[in-house]
Amino acid sequence: EAGVTQSPTHLIKTRGQQATLRCSPISGHTSVYWYQQALGLGLQFLLWYDEGEERNRGNFPPRFSGRQFPNYSSELNVNALELEDSALYLCASRNRGGGNNQPQHFGDGTRLSIL
Amino acid sequence: DAKTTQPTSMDCAEGRAANLPCNHSTISGNEYVYWYRQIHSQGPQYIIHGLKNNETNEMASLIITEDRKSSTLILPHATLRDTAVYYCIVHNAGNNRKLIWGLGTSLAVNP
Repeated sequence: EAGVTQSPTHLIKTRGQQATLRCSPISGHTSVYWYQQALGLGLQFLLWYDEGEERNRGNFPPRFSGRQFPNYSSELNVNALELEDSALYLCASRNRGGGNNQPQHFGDGTRLSIL
Repeated sequence: DAKTTQPTSMDCAEGRAANLPCNHSTISGNEYVYWYRQIHSQGPQYIIHGLKNNETNEMASLIITEDRKSSTLILPHATLRDTAVYYCIVHNAGNNRKLIWGLGTSLAVNP
């Protein structure tokens, strides 16, 4: 069974540009979570999607946005990039149908670097 | 979601048990305790979770206190490959609450 896949692995942008990060969940998983992990820090919750709907979002400005597609894959968009957006962006998926206690399973992330 | 508190770092000798504590004193009645670990720059790996009973799987054991305000992850025979940052979080996907991850415990397994 394929795990959570994220693309691209690395992304280099300059200030003011826009970035799009993609996530394909494990087959059968309908929930997707996005996290930001700055160097040396813990995971900061960004967004949570269930069945195409946004369930909750973390304390991030509106230039961080996303969506979930009918096939449950997801995109994270970051507009007007700033230097402090440089981080590892992690996506996780969860089998919502398995119950509220099902754990999240993570991809290996997209390393976004802002020059 | 409730916040968790973990020691910043711990050491363990190879082959010995590693006991990693976590405090979650504000956990609500329907929130589960989850443990993940993250090896340098990889995505976190799920280890184990529980509600109120102790749990064991092929990776670890989870001991949850009766009042559910704290838990301990036990790696029974730590190896060098268990060196990682270990995160404890509490969550119930039925609650539309933000997920809060702390900084975790950096476990160093020494030869």
